[in-house]
Amino acid sequence: DTGVSQDPRHKITKRGQNVTFRCDPISEHNRLYWYRQTLGQGPEFLTYFQNEAQLEKSRLLSDRFSAERPKGSFSTLEIQRTEQGDSAMYLCASSSDRASSEQYFGPGTRLTVT
Amino acid sequence: AQSVSQHNHHVILSEAASLELGCNYSYGGTVNLFWYVQYPGQHLQLLLKYFSGDPLVKGIKGFEAEFIKSKFSFNLRKPSVQWSDTAEYFCAVVDSGAGSYQLTFGKGTKLSVIP
Repeated sequence: DTGVSQDPRHKITKRGQNVTFRCDPISEHNRLYWYRQTLGQGPEFLTYFQNEAQLEKSRLLSDRFSAERPKGSFSTLEIQRTEQGDSAMYLCASSSDRASSEQYFGPGTRLTVT
Repeated sequence: AQSVSQHNHHVILSEAASLELGCNYSYGGTVNLFWYVQYPGQHLQLLLKYFSGDPLVKGIKGFEAEFIKSKFSFNLRKPSVQWSDTAEYFCAVVDSGAGSYQLTFGKGTKLSVIP
């Protein structure tokens, strides 16, 4: 399977703990995106990388959130001191840099903060 | 900031009925428009996209959408739905004129097709 992969698929954590998610994009894609989706809502943009450079960040991305893409391949999203409001599906997507390229989504990581 | 409105939260249709799902975005300028679908238990998949050219766009599985710039709309249509079309449908826009690549999604429309 050459699609976008995410790990883990599910994460249950206690409030105050740190969590880290991983995303592996489609191999030839140099753009990588993180979104968050809560129940009854569409996905909301968090951040975007062009290769290893983080070029856009949403106001949703508080100080407790950090994302990296150190070698321009896989990416990690870390949430520090989790809160119950962080419970959501975290989606990763990737795309090429062609003008008419669409974003391909992974299966997501479902986070539950207890 | 851009926003997207999807008019119907849940649509229930019988097989062979025609489908139209509404989508409006908040302001003009150069935009790229998308419809994504999420089948039960699966991840988001692209149905169709509009970047430029013919405003009537054909996608996979017999779906089409029409971009009407004057109405800021990009409605999704299918002449005859099947049970397998049961899914959640998301309209999304990229404000490409602003040099952005982020997708702004609507809240989604859940489609239930009754055999």
